[in-house]
Amino acid sequence: DGGITQSPKYLFRKEGQNVTLSCEQNLNHDAMYWYRQDPGQGLRLIYYSQIVNDFQKGDIAEGYSVSREKKESFPLTVTSAQKNPTAFYLCASSIFGTSELDATYNEQFFGPGTRLTVL
Amino acid sequence: GQNIDQPTEMTATEGAIVQINCTYQTSGFNGLFWYQQHAGEAPTFLSYNVLDGLEEKGRFSSFLSRSKGYSYLLLKELQMKDSASYLCAVRDKGNSGYSTLTFGKGTMLLVSP
Repeated sequence: DGGITQSPKYLFRKEGQNVTLSCEQNLNHDAMYWYRQDPGQGLRLIYYSQIVNDFQKGDIAEGYSVSREKKESFPLTVTSAQKNPTAFYLCASSIFGTSELDATYNEQFFGPGTRLTVL
Repeated sequence: GQNIDQPTEMTATEGAIVQINCTYQTSGFNGLFWYQQHAGEAPTFLSYNVLDGLEEKGRFSSFLSRSKGYSYLLLKELQMKDSASYLCAVRDKGNSGYSTLTFGKGTMLLVSP
């Protein structure tokens, strides 16, 4: 079955430690995204990548880093520089299409999420 | 930048109809999505509009007016399982040539018996 996986579902870390969240997809999608979700805040874009070895900062990239060495994988590292890292993290992927009339153009498929708690 | 507004909460009765509104301001509109998200789960795609008008898909319909920067999601024959958060998301063309989605804060819908 094709899909997006994120692991683990729950993650606990001590303050000051870096932590890496995994995201893998076997949908053959070119684009991948990382979002953060806080209560009452909706989804906010951290980083995104349209092709391998290239990625762009989103609206709240400070304190985070990513890599895109393979098409299938887009890991997110939450560094100690992130002031409020406790949140629900969602990874998504999409095809890179050109037709605005096609809903599949940039429709994003989401992974199950990782809930990170920093103690 | 973009600004997306939708009501924080709504309540409705099983079997009824509910309309969730979304207004947006964007510099490069390139499509609007509605997603459903149950608590603690990933969002799932409901509908997409890029042209003015109504798109119908079973019990769900979505409307768009680009000139007014306005969309709504219409849910008919409400069921208890429709209790969830409904996210409005606008796609922006972007200066880099890449498109991204900007999400509203979501509307929490509670369906009661």
